[in-house]
Amino acid sequence: EIVLTQSPGTLSLSPGERATLSCRASQSVSSTYLVWYQQKPGQAPRLLIYSASSRATGIPDRFSGSGSGTDFTLTISRLEPEDFAVYYCQQYGSSPQLTFGGGTKVEIK
Amino acid sequence: QVQLLESGPGLVKPSQTLSLTCTVSGDSITRGSYYWTWIRQPAGEGLEWIGRFYTSGTTNYNPSLKSRVTISVDTSKNQFSLKLSSVTAADTAVYYCARDSSWALDYWGQGTLVTVSS
Repeated sequence: EIVLTQSPGTLSLSPGERATLSCRASQSVSSTYLVWYQQKPGQAPRLLIYSASSRATGIPDRFSGSGSGTDFTLTISRLEPEDFAVYYCQQYGSSPQLTFGGGTKVEIK
Repeated sequence: QVQLLESGPGLVKPSQTLSLTCTVSGDSITRGSYYWTWIRQPAGEGLEWIGRFYTSGTTNYNPSLKSRVTISVDTSKNQFSLKLSSVTAADTAVYYCARDSSWALDYWGQGTLVTVSS
């Protein structure tokens, strides 16, 4: 089983600042199958980034994804008030076919 | 616009079977290319994949839950269902259904809270 470790657990930043979130895999993951989601309180997760670096429909270009192998990064170039949320990475593998990281909370400083 | 909506009892007694249904609109669950998936999230915790169903009849389950989980489909109603047997308090969570394109979970239901308590 591939384990995804996200860091930091909590990121305290101000609006307008840059956020850098890390997702590290216990084994190499194909970039095709690395995904990022955003979740706000009381809501379902929303797809942000697929295939490590492709933005989903309607996602602003301040969100970008990068990485390969075991190290992946989600960057929010300038935080807007609506970006404060929890972010999860997810990968597709063999059994289990799908696993999530533990999440990074981006909170207002 | 694809929409998914979970439904089912919000309270289940310990040792009983949790049963939820996901109704899909805006897409056909018999159309190829997609898996239909269940995920859960205990309060204040992260996301856990439960399993998924493909139109060919293939099902995949999380090994940690496999002995207790069944995912099935009702094509006439464009619905798919989750059954989780022998539940305990540890199964208390918000349960989500989602469409899985094999490269992302692109559409999610709003989620439904299931509490296991006597």
